[in-house]
Amino acid sequence: AQSVAQPEDQVNVAEGNPLTVKCTYSVSGNPYLFWYVQYPNRGLQFLLKYITGDNLVKGSYGFEAEFNKSQTSFHLKKPSALVSDSALYFCAVRDGMDTGRRALTFGSGTRLQVQP
Amino acid sequence: DAEITQSPRHKITETGRQVTLACHQTWNHNNMFWYRQDLGHGLRLIHYSYGVHDTNKGEVSDGYSVSRSNTEDLPLTLESAASSQTSVYFCASSGPSRWHEQYFGPGTRLTVT
Repeated sequence: AQSVAQPEDQVNVAEGNPLTVKCTYSVSGNPYLFWYVQYPNRGLQFLLKYITGDNLVKGSYGFEAEFNKSQTSFHLKKPSALVSDSALYFCAVRDGMDTGRRALTFGSGTRLQVQP
Repeated sequence: DAEITQSPRHKITETGRQVTLACHQTWNHNNMFWYRQDLGHGLRLIHYSYGVHDTNKGEVSDGYSVSRSNTEDLPLTLESAASSQTSVYFCASSGPSRWHEQYFGPGTRLTVT
């Protein structure tokens, strides 16, 4: 079975400060990890993914994420937050060993609020 | 540009009625998925399909059904709508490999009264 935990319901950060949105996962095999962002009344937009290779993954809108196998984490980061980054962020995982399942398992989401 | 669309965007229905939510994608993806989004639960998988005439149950499939008669469409049917099915429904599609990301539609907000 695969699962994802996002321990923070909400993260507040001042504009210009670095931000981190946390995600931990559990899978049987090697994980495929994804971050999505959801703006109000919109569908989810893909930000970035980790498949293999470099533990630091760069994505859209200046976001990056760091894969840590020993801590089973995939935290989303951005060096300097913008007010426009305020949104709902979802981490998702797919077990690389589970050949029968192509659907993603999502975390419960973290609301990011960037104050001016 | 390829896209994935959902209709209607908003729907209000009464308990016991049958409701069908449409999902159409022009990515030519074989994999299609239906999720529901509820506060505190993130997205939960309802049904999914890996190709024409293939359908599979997800974690919260009770009360829902899907059919796949072509590559582009995966309609979701609520056989007899219940208030517990009030939610926002998202359709998604993806390429063939497990590392392919999913592309999401804009969602349908369903209210069952």
